[in-house]
Amino acid sequence: DIQMTQSPSTLSASVGDRVTITCRASQSISNWLAWYQQKPGKAPKVLIYKASTLESGVPARFSGSGSGTEFTLTISSLQPDDFATYYCQQYKNDLYTFGQGTNLEIK
Amino acid sequence: QVTLRESGPAVVKPTQTLTLTCTFSGFSLSTGAMCVSWLRQSPGKALEWLARIDWDDDKYYNTSLKTRLSISKDTSKNQVVLTLANMDPVDTATYYCARICRFSSVHWGQGTLVIVSS
Repeated sequence: DIQMTQSPSTLSASVGDRVTITCRASQSISNWLAWYQQKPGKAPKVLIYKASTLESGVPARFSGSGSGTEFTLTISSLQPDDFATYYCQQYKNDLYTFGQGTNLEIK
Repeated sequence: QVTLRESGPAVVKPTQTLTLTCTFSGFSLSTGAMCVSWLRQSPGKALEWLARIDWDDDKYYNTSLKTRLSISKDTSKNQVVLTLANMDPVDTATYYCARICRFSSVHWGQGTLVIVSS
């Protein structure tokens, strides 16, 4: 199975900050990577798919980049609604796998 | 518009088999490259992918759970069924179905909470 390693596991930041979350795959996944935002008690919300394609309706302050084994999710200017848990997921391999999550909290 | 909805029991007893149904709309599982996955999230834990069925009836399972899992589809009803045998309290989780396939946009259902308790 492809292992997905997300960092950091916790990130403390302030409104207006630029933040980056990294996801590394144990082998190349080309660009078959999705990023999700999840709030307590809610289903994951897809932000980015195919590594850099912004889901319809997602604010442009979210962006994704990378290919192969290293990927990043960037939020250009944090808004109060952005404090949540973020997950990456690969779907290149037939057996999908997730990162362990990044808890983005208010500093 | 793509939608997916999970249904099934809210409570199952240990050792029982869980059967969940995903009913979807906005796409067809008879269309090439389409697929439906099941995933879950135990309380306070990370997301976990369980199984996937493709348009051509190929099936894939989580390595750790594959001896207990079965996935099937009814194309005429736009439904995908997941069974998980020999349920244990550690299987208590919110179960989701989702369309996560290459060459198409990603969509998830809202999830259904399953509690394993005697």
